[in-house]
Amino acid sequence: EDQVTQSPEALRLQEGESSSLNCSYTVSGLRGLFWYRQDPGKGPEFLFTLYSAGEEKEKERLKATLTKKESFLHITAPKPEDSATYLCAATDNYGQNFVFGPGTRLSVLP
Amino acid sequence: NAGVTQTPKFQVLKTGQSMTLQCAQDMNHEYMSWYRQDPGMGLRLIHYSVGAGITDQGEVPNGYNVSRSTTEDFPLRLLSAAPSQTSVYFCASSYSPRGFSGNTIYFGEGSWLTVV
Repeated sequence: EDQVTQSPEALRLQEGESSSLNCSYTVSGLRGLFWYRQDPGKGPEFLFTLYSAGEEKEKERLKATLTKKESFLHITAPKPEDSATYLCAATDNYGQNFVFGPGTRLSVLP
Repeated sequence: NAGVTQTPKFQVLKTGQSMTLQCAQDMNHEYMSWYRQDPGMGLRLIHYSVGAGITDQGEVPNGYNVSRSTTEDFPLRLLSAAPSQTSVYFCASSYSPRGFSGNTIYFGEGSWLTVV
């Protein structure tokens, strides 16, 4: 069964304190690995898509990387506005069902 | 740009009542879907549609019906509400089912449903 897990469940950082969020997946024939940001009371907002092991994508203070079994979202020198829940999702070769992880709730304190 | 619009934002139902969550998108997307989000469980697919007149079940379809009469609209119907259907519901759309190669999935703002 396709599955996506994320760790930690919650993470509290001081402003400027870099860290990484983990997404582990067991999806047959991975076709894409996605990262979303979700603010309270809002829908998920697309951040990155990764397609193959070794690929990296960057956006401001965020960098997503992908291996054959997991993906990392690295946050460099975070700011309070980076506080949100970060969701990871994977899709298989058929591309019709996105399997979402439960998310990591990130809090960045000033 | 309106994107994906969901209504209502909040709703309280009594057990056994029926209701419809509305979803509309103005991006001419073929693929639309409904998810529910529960604490600690992530987003789970309820139903999806790959085009007008075509719908299919996702991971948790029981207790829900959908129809797709137009490209723009994809309503979700709760037939007889149960407390287990208390959740946040998200409608999503993308240009194609595959959701990659630039075909990003766009989500609505969510509908908070409480069944008492």
